[in-house]
Amino acid sequence: EIVLTQSPGTLSLSPGERATFSCRASQSVGSSYLAWYQQKPGLAPRLLIYGASSRATGIPDRFSGSGSGTDFTLTISRLEPEDFAVYYCQQYGSSPRLTFGGGTKVEIK
Amino acid sequence: QVQLQESGPGLVKPSETLSLTCTVSGGSVISGSSYWSWIRQPPGKGLDWIGFIYSSGNTNYNPSFKSRVTISIDTSKNQFSLKLSSVTAADTAVYFCVRGGYTYGQVDSWGQGTLVTVS
Repeated sequence: EIVLTQSPGTLSLSPGERATFSCRASQSVGSSYLAWYQQKPGLAPRLLIYGASSRATGIPDRFSGSGSGTDFTLTISRLEPEDFAVYYCQQYGSSPRLTFGGGTKVEIK
Repeated sequence: QVQLQESGPGLVKPSETLSLTCTVSGGSVISGSSYWSWIRQPPGKGLDWIGFIYSSGNTNYNPSFKSRVTISIDTSKNQFSLKLSSVTAADTAVYFCVRGGYTYGQVDSWGQGTLVTVS
């Protein structure tokens, strides 16, 4: 069973700063099958990145994804006020066929 | 732009069966490149994938739920449904119906979610 571990659990940053999120898999994930989501309180998650590095429709270019194998990264180059939220990584393929990481919360410092 | 809307009881008694339906608009559940899935989120916690179904009717379930879950599809109504049996308080969660693409496996459309409380 594949497990995705996200770190840190919480990031305390200020607007304008760079945010880096880590997602580590317990076994290799096909790069095409790693996605990132943003979730704000009371709302459904929103797709940010798919295929490890492709931005979803309408996602600003301050969001970028990278990585392969077992280590993946989501970067927000400069935090905007609306970026303070929880971020999840997700893999598709290995059993269970779809798995989410535990999430990283970005809070205002 | 596809839209998904969950419907069903917001309160279920322990040991009973949770039943939810997702109505799809702006797109078809017959789409050959999509899967239709249920994901849940217990209050204050992360996301748990329950299972998905293709337009063909083929299903794949999370082993954690496999003995209790059934996902079905009704192409005539453009809907898909979730049944989760023998529920306990641990099944209290917001349940999302979603569409995913199996080229990359990403979930690209989400319903707004519906809170189901087991009590």
